[in-house]
Amino acid sequence: DVKVTQSSRYLVKRTGEKVFLECVQDMDHENMFWYRQDPGLGLRLIYFSYDVKMKEKGDIPEGYSVSREKKERFSLILESASTNQTSMYLCASSFRPGQGRYEQYFGPGTRLTVT
Amino acid sequence: EDQVTQSPEALRLQEGESSSLNCSYTVSGLRGLFWYRQDPGKGPEFLFTLYSAGEEKEKERLKATLTKKESFLHITAPKPEDSATYLCAVQAPDDKIIFGKGTRLHILP
Repeated sequence: DVKVTQSSRYLVKRTGEKVFLECVQDMDHENMFWYRQDPGLGLRLIYFSYDVKMKEKGDIPEGYSVSREKKERFSLILESASTNQTSMYLCASSFRPGQGRYEQYFGPGTRLTVT
Repeated sequence: EDQVTQSPEALRLQEGESSSLNCSYTVSGLRGLFWYRQDPGKGPEFLFTLYSAGEEKEKERLKATLTKKESFLHITAPKPEDSATYLCAVQAPDDKIIFGKGTRLHILP
């Protein structure tokens, strides 16, 4: 079974703090993704990576950065947390397109609250 | 603009009352359509991938079908444990994944 794990289920941070969210997958997937999910807005893509040290901006990258130093690990960084970044953060991974299977596998999510 | 629209937004059914959820899309050159189940406070769980019109996939009480403009997730004789939000996503020709906002399904015992 594919397993995607996230470093924390719940996190409470103060405005202005630097926040690290980590994601690890064990399926040797090339692609990894970070989404945020808010009521009424659905899933929105923040960043994705298709290879080690490679990254692409998604639909809402402002205020976030990412790091992918190893294939299995993808980190999301909030440089200076703000209250409007309070949300559920979801990591996902998938094979590269063209390999016949492109469905995404999601982690359990991190509920981040910024006060 | 590529879009994915799911309907209804919410659906309440009695246990055993079969129904269908709809996912319509405007993507040209669809490369794949995905269904996920999401329980409250958890990440989405992959259910099915459909690649071409006419294709069907089944899993327990769920059956997904695909046409050139939409997909249906049919739920036969649902049980309370089928209560969840069901998400649809499409893979566009540029491999971008576009998610719908989901249908919240509640099965009453």
